[in-house]
Formats: sequence, structure tokens, C-alpha cells
Amino acid sequence: QSVLTQPPSVSAAPGQKVTISCSGSSSNIGNNFVSWYQQLPGTAPKLLIYDNNKRPSGIPDRFSGSKSGTSATLGITGLQTGDEADYYCGTWDSSLSAGVFGGGTKLTVL
Amino acid sequence: QVQLQQWGAGLLKPSETLSLTCAVYGGSFSGYYWSWIRQPPGKGLEWIGEINHSGSTNYNPSLKSRVTISVDTSKNQFSLKLSSVTAADTAVYYCARGPRGYCSGGSCYSSRSSLGAYWGQGTLVTVSS
Repeated sequence: QSVLTQPPSVSAAPGQKVTISCSGSSSNIGNNFVSWYQQLPGTAPKLLIYDNNKRPSGIPDRFSGSKSGTSATLGITGLQTGDEADYYCGTWDSSLSAGVFGGGTKLTVL
Repeated sequence: QVQLQQWGAGLLKPSETLSLTCAVYGGSFSGYYWSWIRQPPGKGLEWIGEINHSGSTNYNPSLKSRVTISVDTSKNQFSLKLSSVTAADTAVYYCARGPRGYCSGGSCYSSRSSLGAYWGQGTLVTVSS
């Protein structure tokens, strides 16, 4: 059981937009930055979003992040087949004094 | 360009101690937290713990009694030891660069901007008798 809650799967057609939610509490998302990770099959996770909504160099602006209260959302526009991957949210939990991840969401581009 | 290269034993017997090391190339070693994260086969990511260049650590409460993370600043390396392993510890283990952080006056501070900006290649550790 993960501290952060994500939907197990989402799907959309190529070219469309999809959002992935991440729900937490005041001890984690509510008072700390959220980051998002993309994990392609058989590879290490890759940072997509940090500080809730900032993109590292090289990450296309098709990927966006937002946070409101104790929830965060990853948005992906102009879906491509290469976006098929598992996506994880993560943040710091001030009560646990530890990092926490969501359970992950599998994105299927139909 | 920051690169992390990790190594360690991939097959352990129950009750043995898992030992992994991660070397950091490029970028600054001090001024950041350095983390270990694992992923059981077919499952999600689990944060194990972190250390900064001063040796200040934070651990996942569920693993704290068995985990030790250490740092060797002279080699820009950090290491993970997990004792008394069982089959439940079978996973791919990743090292990663965590957020910026520093310690001053006995307290440590961090931006907590992300859990992993750069990641190692991963090491599959299997625990089996």
C-alpha cells in the first residue's frame, strides 16, 4: 500500500491528452514539492517534473505538472506511442522523514 | 553531465547482507543528498534512504533497523548495506542523486525538489536459498 495514490492505468489515443493524478496528505504533498518520473520498460526511472511544475533540461513541454492542496497532476499532451511507460509521483513525507512514491500508473497509447 | 555507476553482488542467500556501491561522475558531490531506491519485480518504486556528503542520513522507517548508508567523499561514492535479507528484498536497486541539501549548526536542510534527478543503471539483487 503506497503512501501516495495513483490510478493503476490510463489510456488515450495518439495525439490526445492524458492526465495522471497523485493523491496524498498534508504531511507529504500538502507541504512538499512533488516530482514525476517516467519509466520505460527495462530502464531506470527518468525525472520528468520537479518542484511541482518544472521540467529538467531536455524534457519537452508536452509534459506538465501541477499541484493543488494534497493532490498533484501530471499532464501529457500530443501523446506518442513512445510515451507508453509507467509514471510515478514522488515527494517527501515530513512525518515519516522519508521519501515516498505513488504506486505507479501504466500509460497505454491506443 | 552527471553519471552514476553502481555495482554489487546480485545473488544472496537468506540472512546475508546486501552490499551495493554507487560512484558519481561529473557535477558536484557535496551539496546534494544521495539516495537508494528499489523496485521489486513487477512492482513500484520504494525509497530506501539517503545520505549527504556530511554523512547525515534519513531512512525509510520500514527498513531502518536493517539499513546502513555510508559515504566516501574522497572517492565520490556512497554505499548501501541491508542486513538479514529475505526473498522479500529481491528487487532492482537504484542509486540516485537526490535534492540539494546542507547541514549547519547541527541541523540539515534540503530543497526536497525531487527524489531522483539522476539515476544509476540498476542492479538486480535476488535472494534465494
